[in-house]
Amino acid sequence: EAQVTQNPRYLITVTGKKLTVTCSQNMNHEYMSWYRQDPGLGLRQIYYSMNVEVTDKGDVPEGYKVSRKEKRNFPLILESPSPNQTSLYFCASSSEGNYGYTFGSGTRLTVV
Amino acid sequence: AQSVTQPDIHITVSEGASLELRCNYSYGATPYLFWYVQSPGQGLQLLLKYFSGDTLVQGIKGFEAEFKRSQSSFNLRKPSVHWSDAAEYFCAVGAGGYQKVTFGTGTKLQVIP
Repeated sequence: EAQVTQNPRYLITVTGKKLTVTCSQNMNHEYMSWYRQDPGLGLRQIYYSMNVEVTDKGDVPEGYKVSRKEKRNFPLILESPSPNQTSLYFCASSSEGNYGYTFGSGTRLTVV
Repeated sequence: AQSVTQPDIHITVSEGASLELRCNYSYGATPYLFWYVQSPGQGLQLLLKYFSGDTLVQGIKGFEAEFKRSQSSFNLRKPSVHWSDAAEYFCAVGAGGYQKVTFGTGTKLQVIP
């Protein structure tokens, strides 16, 4: 089944403890992106990637890192999480010429 | 910078009634426009998209949207709403369609019997 898989689905962590949210797609898509969703703010783009080793900042990149070493994977790294990063995170992917993203099921992160 | 405005935070319609969700965008060139739907506890699903050609686009689940350049709008419509359409709907605009894609704040649709 074609899909974007995020792990974990739920995560509670403490301030300052590094964490990684994984994202993997099995559709050979070139484009991948991370969003966070907060009530009243909609989805805001954190980072996006146009292909392996090519990434760029979205609207809210502060406090986040990404890497794209393989086409299928696009992990989101929080090196020192803070409570204001408590949010619902979505990974998404798309292929060249097929505009529009396929989204993962989301990761609900709580930082205490 | 591109932006999207969804002026209605919450809309309630009766089952069987028609629906129109509003979306206004700001973008300097020809926009790539999208509507997504998010059911409770789920990810987002693409309903339809526009980037060229016919300004009236058909999507899944009986939805359609019309691109009006003069009004910078891309409103979503459905002639007859079903209870299963209750969800949150997001309009989005993109440069190139999948790079820097900006979402609106969403419209939550409630369907009453």
